[in-house]
Amino acid sequence: AQKITQTQPGMFVQEKEAVTLDCTYDTSDQSYGLFWYKQPSSGEMIFLIYQGSYDEQNATEGRYSLNFQKARKSANLVISASQLGDSAMYFCAMRTYNQGGKLIFGQGTELSVKP
Amino acid sequence: NAGVTQTPKFQVLKTGQSMTLQCAQDMNHNSMYWYRQDPGMGLRLIYYSASEGTTDKGEVPNGYNVSRLNKREFSLRLESAAPSQTSVYFCASSGRTGHLPGYTFGSGTRLTVV
Repeated sequence: AQKITQTQPGMFVQEKEAVTLDCTYDTSDQSYGLFWYKQPSSGEMIFLIYQGSYDEQNATEGRYSLNFQKARKSANLVISASQLGDSAMYFCAMRTYNQGGKLIFGQGTELSVKP
Repeated sequence: NAGVTQTPKFQVLKTGQSMTLQCAQDMNHNSMYWYRQDPGMGLRLIYYSASEGTTDKGEVPNGYNVSRLNKREFSLRLESAAPSQTSVYFCASSGRTGHLPGYTFGSGTRLTVV
């Protein structure tokens, strides 16, 4: 069975510092994709970054990077130079390439950025 | 703007009432999904539709039915609402965005069953 685990229910980080949000996954598929989404208090789901299972380079999008360690089945999100606007829920998700390409989500991590 | 439109945004139901949540996308995506989000939990898949004319159960389908009316529209029906169905419901669709697989989410429906 496919599963995403986020073990940090809540985290604090000082403004301008970097923070790592953990995500581990479990799948027997060879081909899969990993996503990170941000959900601010307003509720919308905002796509941050994507990593394909066959991508050799770690994905980066501006201040976001994904530390992909395939052998350990981990896909941690690194946010550099945290900003107050980064305070939100963050979800790791995995896409399956069968069964309609559905996304499976972790429980989320609530990040609070302190001034 | 292209995207996923959900209606209504808020709804209060009494136990036993029925209602249909509407979802429409204008991105020509084949696949559509319904998720629910409860406090302290991630999004859990209720039903999905890989293509027009097909629907399949997700992780938490009990108490719900769906209809893929056409390629654009995917509705979620609660036949007899229960307090346990109080949640925020998200509709999503998926297709390629450039070279990446992309998912677009609606803004959500906040449902309270009393």
